[in-house]
Amino acid sequence: EDQVTQSPEALRLQEGESSSLNCSYTVSGLRGLFWYRQDPGKGPEFLFTLYSAGEEKEKERLKATLTKKESFLHITAPKPEDSATYLCAVKGFGNEKLTFGTGTRLTIIP
Amino acid sequence: EPEVTQTPSHQVTQMGQEVILRCVPISNHLYFYWYRQILGQKVEFLVSFYNNEISEKSEIFDDQFSVERPDGSNFTLKIRSTKLEDSAMYFCASRPTSVLDEQYFGPGTRLTVT
Repeated sequence: EDQVTQSPEALRLQEGESSSLNCSYTVSGLRGLFWYRQDPGKGPEFLFTLYSAGEEKEKERLKATLTKKESFLHITAPKPEDSATYLCAVKGFGNEKLTFGTGTRLTIIP
Repeated sequence: EPEVTQTPSHQVTQMGQEVILRCVPISNHLYFYWYRQILGQKVEFLVSFYNNEISEKSEIFDDQFSVERPDGSNFTLKIRSTKLEDSAMYFCASRPTSVLDEQYFGPGTRLTVT
C-alpha cells in the first residue's frame, strides 16, 4: 500500500526566512511524485511533478527535489502570500490514484 | 487558463437522500477523477474514469456511489443514500493525456449530511 508522510505538520516562518518541507514515501514502483498547494476551502493547485531521483523543479520561490525515499519542497525568501497547506502525493506504476499525505500548513508572518 | 468547475459549491442533504455532484473537467482532458477530503483529514481517492468506464476505484467507492459522463462535458458523482459520514469536500479532477500524470483539481463541493 502506498504511503506518504509529511513533516512538519505546521511551520511558521518570518517573511524572508527560508526553509524546507519534507515528504517521505513508500510506493511499489514510483510513477511520479506531486506537490500541490491548497488554500483553505479550496481544491489542490498543482505545483510540480517529479519522476526520478535527482530531479529538481523550480517555480518562483519554490524548488522541489526528489530522492528514492523522500522529496523536499524548499521555500526561499517566502512572502505572506506563500501561506497555504502544501500537499505531497505519489502515484505508482499501473495506478490512476494519487495517494496524498496530510500536508504541511505553512504560515509566513510579515 | 482552463479550469475544472464544480457545482454546487455547497450541498446540504438529509441522511438517506440521493445527491448528485457535478463537474465540468477541462476541455480535451481524457481522464477524470473524484476525491474526497473529510474536514482535517487527507485527500482520499474515490474513483477514476476513462473511455466511459471506471478504470480504478477505492474501497470507499462502494455500491452507494456511481459516476457518469452523461454528455461530452459533464462528469457526475451520485451518492444513492447519504450517510452522516459522507459529509466531506468532494473534489473532481482531470488529466489531459496518458503521457502527463498531473491531475488538475476543481474547487470542490462541500457536502453536509444532516
